[in-house]
Parts: sequence; C-alpha cells; structure tokens
Amino acid sequence: NAGVTQTPKFQVLKTGQSMTLQCAQDMNHNSMYWYRQDPGMGLRLIYYSASEGTTDKGEVPNGYNVSRLNKREFSLRLESAAPSQTSVYFCASSGLDRGQETQYFGPGTRLLVL
Amino acid sequence: AQSVTQPDIHITVSEGASLELRCNYSYGATPYLFWYVQSPGQGLQLLLKYFSGDTLVQGIKGFEAEFKRSQSSFNLRKPSVHWSDAAEYFCAVKRSNFGNEKLTFGTGTRLTIIP
Repeated sequence: NAGVTQTPKFQVLKTGQSMTLQCAQDMNHNSMYWYRQDPGMGLRLIYYSASEGTTDKGEVPNGYNVSRLNKREFSLRLESAAPSQTSVYFCASSGLDRGQETQYFGPGTRLLVL
Repeated sequence: AQSVTQPDIHITVSEGASLELRCNYSYGATPYLFWYVQSPGQGLQLLLKYFSGDTLVQGIKGFEAEFKRSQSSFNLRKPSVHWSDAAEYFCAVKRSNFGNEKLTFGTGTRLTIIP
C-alpha cells in the first residue's frame, strides 16, 4: 500500500515549456486534490476532483489544467510554464478514516521554471 | 469562508523542553481541525485531527491538541520535544465531513530544536 505517489520528484523547465505532473493513489479514495506550496503562504488549492469524471477550481487555478483519468489518477498540466509557477506541488487524496474524511498527501514535486 | 492563523512563523526550543504551537481559526460553526507535520524535503503527514467529542485529542509521535471553542483555538502540544521533531507544522480547517470539502491551511510554523 504505497498511499499517494507523485512523479517526477523534481523538474526544471524553461519558460514556455509544458509538462504534466502525475499523481496516483491506491486507497480507493473518491476525492483528489492538487496544492502548491510557496514560502510563507502555506498550501493553496489549485484544483480538486470530488469523484471520477469531475474537477473543480480551487484558489489558484490560473495557468493549470487537470485530468481525472480514473479513480486512481489525477494529473496536473502546465501548458506554458512561467517563473511564477516555481513551487512545490502536492497531490492529496481523501477518504473516510474511522468515519472521518481525512486527506493524505504525496511526497511532492519540486518544480523550477527558469 | 473559513481561515486559519498560525501567529508564530518560527519557534526555537531546547531538546527535552515542552512545546506549544498556536492555531486560531475563523469559522462560525464547529470546524473540523487538523495538524500536519512536514519534515524537510518531505510531504505532509497527519499528526492528529478533531471532528467532535473529547476536546483533547491525541496524535502520533506523542503530540496532542486541545480544541477550545471559546478561544477559536486548536493548539498543538508536546511535553518533551526530540531533535527529530524539527519540522514545519501546519494547522488546517474544513467546514464539513464531505469528501469534496477543501482544507484551508495556515501559513505554518517552523520548529527548530537546539541541543
């Protein structure tokens, strides 16, 4: 049981390049999330998916797209990377833990946009 | 909308000393509250959570937190810290137990342990 996994762990892009961050969970959770973490700002929600086939915007969706490929996988795409998207990206999934809806996080992807 | 404030950006304590990290939330009804820990270069690990019932909740690694409705607080405590507790700690709140309800995070408190 790996929990939430993310690939890649680290990526360097040039401005204007595109890339997709991958996330998968093996806990049979319905809901999945993408956050970004920047110094002094905590974690901010980019997009989330309450169930397979649905996605919704969070606080900071501009410049990103997502795909909920199936129940396990939720990818985040940067179509044209900008230096402002340099950040650490975390994927999370949530499910019931003793009747309590709880989020579990992946190890993160560190992205540097030059 | 709910919000979370962690007033201390950085705290330094000696190994073996007690610890209290502060968290205040803003939400009209009873919130669902969480503490997560992030070790350097790692993801977030759940320490403990409060949903209802006993206002003093026990978590992993010897941590506990107390929900005080009158003070809108959910402070994290540990009686004796270890060097391995050096990390960043995040308080988070959500409004309901629904799966599509998002978490709102505080800006974090970085904990340094000195010998």
